[in-house]
Amino acid sequence: DGGITQSPKYLFRKEGQNVTLSCEQNLNHDAMYWYRQDPGQGLRLIYYSQIVNDFQKGDIAEGYSVSREKKESFPLTVTSAQKNPTAFYLCASSISSRGATNEKLFFGSGTQLSVL
Amino acid sequence: GQNIDQPTEMTATEGAIVQINCTYQTSGFNGLFWYQQHAGEAPTFLSYNVLDGLEEKGRFSSFLSRSKGYSYLLLKELQMKDSASYLCAGGATNKLIFGTGTLLAVQP
Repeated sequence: DGGITQSPKYLFRKEGQNVTLSCEQNLNHDAMYWYRQDPGQGLRLIYYSQIVNDFQKGDIAEGYSVSREKKESFPLTVTSAQKNPTAFYLCASSISSRGATNEKLFFGSGTQLSVL
Repeated sequence: GQNIDQPTEMTATEGAIVQINCTYQTSGFNGLFWYQQHAGEAPTFLSYNVLDGLEEKGRFSSFLSRSKGYSYLLLKELQMKDSASYLCAGGATNKLIFGTGTLLAVQP
């Protein structure tokens, strides 16, 4: 079955440590996205990529980095510069590179990141 | 500014009907989405409205009024498994804006 796989499900970060969240899709979608979900807040866009080897900052990109070396993969690194990383992170994809404003998003099952 | 508002929580009874409202203010509006999210899981697509009116899909229907900046999700014949968060998201000029989600609790 096609879909989006995120790993790990739970991740713990020590102070000063960088951690990488994995996101893989086999839907052959051009566009991929990373969202952060905090209690009481809507999903906030961290980074998005509309095509391989290209990505754009979202609303809250500071302290995060991404790469898009392959169409199927869009890993997110939470760097030590992100001072409040505890959140539920969701990866998503959409069919075309036109963007998610009029296309439905397919989401992964999320990674809960916590700080030790 | 760009803003999406929806109630934080709602409670309803199994077998009943519930309406979850969403109001929005976005520039370059080009459609409104509803997603369902069970706790700790992926949001899943429910509906997309770009034109005014009601769209029905089984037990779920979604309504849009562009002139009023208003949408609602209607859930009929509620089941216990409908207990979840319902996310309203508006398509703006170049991005999608999400509301905070409405946590629906279905009681026996």
